[in-house]
Amino acid sequence: AQSVTQLGSHVSVSEGALVLLRCNYSSSVPPYLFWYVQYPNQGLQLLLKYTTGATLVKGINGFEAEFKKSETSFHLTKPSAHMSDAAEYFCAVSEYQKLVFGQGTRLTINP
Amino acid sequence: EAGVAQSPRYKIIEKRQSVAFWCNPISGHATLYWYQQILGQGPKLLIQFQNNGVVDDSQLPKDRFSAERLKGVDSTLKIQPAKLEDSAVYLCASSRSLDNEQFFGPGTRLTVL
Repeated sequence: AQSVTQLGSHVSVSEGALVLLRCNYSSSVPPYLFWYVQYPNQGLQLLLKYTTGATLVKGINGFEAEFKKSETSFHLTKPSAHMSDAAEYFCAVSEYQKLVFGQGTRLTINP
Repeated sequence: EAGVAQSPRYKIIEKRQSVAFWCNPISGHATLYWYQQILGQGPKLLIQFQNNGVVDDSQLPKDRFSAERLKGVDSTLKIQPAKLEDSAVYLCASSRSLDNEQFFGPGTRLTVL
């Protein structure tokens, strides 16, 4: 069965600094991988997804993620953090049309 | 295009009571999902519908949870009777088909006292 591990339940960075949120997955088949963002009292919004093809995926709000099969990783990055990026971020893997989520990483931006 | 609608947004009940949540997916979306998100955890799939048929309900606690999507459009999730550990946010999502992006509603926050 597939699973997702997000390293660090809470990440804090300064405004303008690099954002790096880590995600490792396990899957018995070539995975589809996703990053979602959740703002307080809201549902999840898709940031980006990897299905096939180019391993570097660009998403909304300046985020990108790189699929590394050898490391079974799909880390999320953004070169320069903005205050509006403060939220909960979830990595997910899809296998047989089912999404399995990691436990989430809360991102805090310090002014 | 209107998003996924859910109601109520908040619900507080006592244990052993019953509660129901409603979801109206995006128009034209054939697939509908219900997730349970416990505080500090990622969403967990409870049940997945394709039109009005159940695709996967393997993680639905069927002794107390039930869900239906009678006309293949909106859906209701019921808990009867509720337990303290059912306190969570219940998220509804929809997609055009099984392989497409899922769009999430704002969720219903349930507190069981």
